[in-house]
Amino acid sequence: DAGVTQSPTHLIKTRGQQVTLRCSPKSGHDTVSWYQQALGQGPQFIFQYYEEEERQRGNFPDRFSGHQFPNYSSELNVNALLLGDSALYLCASSLKSNYGYTFGSGTRLTVV
Amino acid sequence: QKEVEQNSGPLSVPEGAIASLNCTYSDRGSQSFFWYRQYSGKSPELIMFIYSNGDKEDGRFTAQLNKASQYVSLLIRDSQPSDSATYLCAVNIRNTGNQFYFGTGTSLTVIP
Repeated sequence: DAGVTQSPTHLIKTRGQQVTLRCSPKSGHDTVSWYQQALGQGPQFIFQYYEEEERQRGNFPDRFSGHQFPNYSSELNVNALLLGDSALYLCASSLKSNYGYTFGSGTRLTVV
Repeated sequence: QKEVEQNSGPLSVPEGAIASLNCTYSDRGSQSFFWYRQYSGKSPELIMFIYSNGDKEDGRFTAQLNKASQYVSLLIRDSQPSDSATYLCAVNIRNTGNQFYFGTGTSLTVIP
């Protein structure tokens, strides 16, 4: 039973560029949440997708957008990258009715 | 004021000792509390969760919740060097959906 898979594992981008990160949830899970974890900090909630719609959003600018597909997989898009966007981006899946999260291994984004 | 606060440590304990990790939260609407362990460069993994006041035990781990004082703690008995990691406290606040607020984590080192 595959857990949460994220791709790519590492990414280097230049300021101003755009990036797309991908996530496949754990089998049986229908909800995907994205978190940003800066070095030495706890994960910060970006947004959550359920039934292909954004259901909750944290305090992140509109440069951060996402999508959920019918197979529950999800993408996180970040436009106009800033140096401060450098972080570990974590995808977490869960069942809507269950609070338990399973985290993916993350995508390490470096903006130079 | 941050929703969730943890002492960043580092906390060092000898092998076999009890490690005590603490977390305070600000929102009295908080309704579920989770402890995650994160090894350096890895994603968080769920240790245990607690919803009700009191203690909850799972193997060498005990979570303690005191809603009146707004704190939750994690005790690790018979600490092992493999327990050396950062421990993240996460809180779910009522009416925010399946969104978690994380503390910055406490770094634990178990000395052989």
